[in-house]
Amino acid sequence: KAGVTQTPRYLIKTRGQQVTLSCSPISGHRSVSWYQQTPGQGLQFLFEYFSETQRNKGNFPGRFSGRQFSNSRSEMNVSTLELGDSALYLCASSPEGQVYYEQYFGPGTRLTVT
Amino acid sequence: KQEVTQIPAALSVPEGENLVLNCSFTDSAIYNLQWFRQDPGKGLTSLLLIQSSQREQTSGRLNASLDKSSGRSTLYIAASQPGDSATYLCAVISGGSNYKLTFGKGTLLTVNP
Repeated sequence: KAGVTQTPRYLIKTRGQQVTLSCSPISGHRSVSWYQQTPGQGLQFLFEYFSETQRNKGNFPGRFSGRQFSNSRSEMNVSTLELGDSALYLCASSPEGQVYYEQYFGPGTRLTVT
Repeated sequence: KQEVTQIPAALSVPEGENLVLNCSFTDSAIYNLQWFRQDPGKGLTSLLLIQSSQREQTSGRLNASLDKSSGRSTLYIAASQPGDSATYLCAVISGGSNYKLTFGKGTLLTVNP
């Protein structure tokens, strides 16, 4: 089975712009979660989608949003980018949304905001 | 609020040494605990998952234990190799219906040849 894929792998944006990141889960996985990783804060949970519905949300401002499509692919959007949004954004998929199941991570999208 | 702490933050050992990485969490009401490895600039690779009802899991040279009541987990690496050099992250899933993964800050392991 192919692993979790994320596109693009690298992005450079300027402050005030918006960006969309994409994540394709492992085939058959319906749960997709997004995380932000920075040197200072470590890995922080953004949100989780299951069957096209957002089930959980972390403590991030409304500028961070996401959605999930019927094929389980997910996108996250960040509007009005700030310098502090520079980070590695990771998505993870899990089968059937069961908490006992492993989280499988993609390679991440490195976002740099200048 | 769940908090996960990993000690030490960094560890440097000679090749061949056995070592233990520690993870502690504040809320014992967890569903599972997962250990990951992250190479510089890369994503996370799952190493071991321990369900809340389990005490330990083993994979090759790796052994992870879980003591839910005391809020602790350890990752034991036997006969370390330079290729084991990476950051090791511990994460717990908790939170009831609003479950999510909460990560520690990681332990940076360097194995010297």
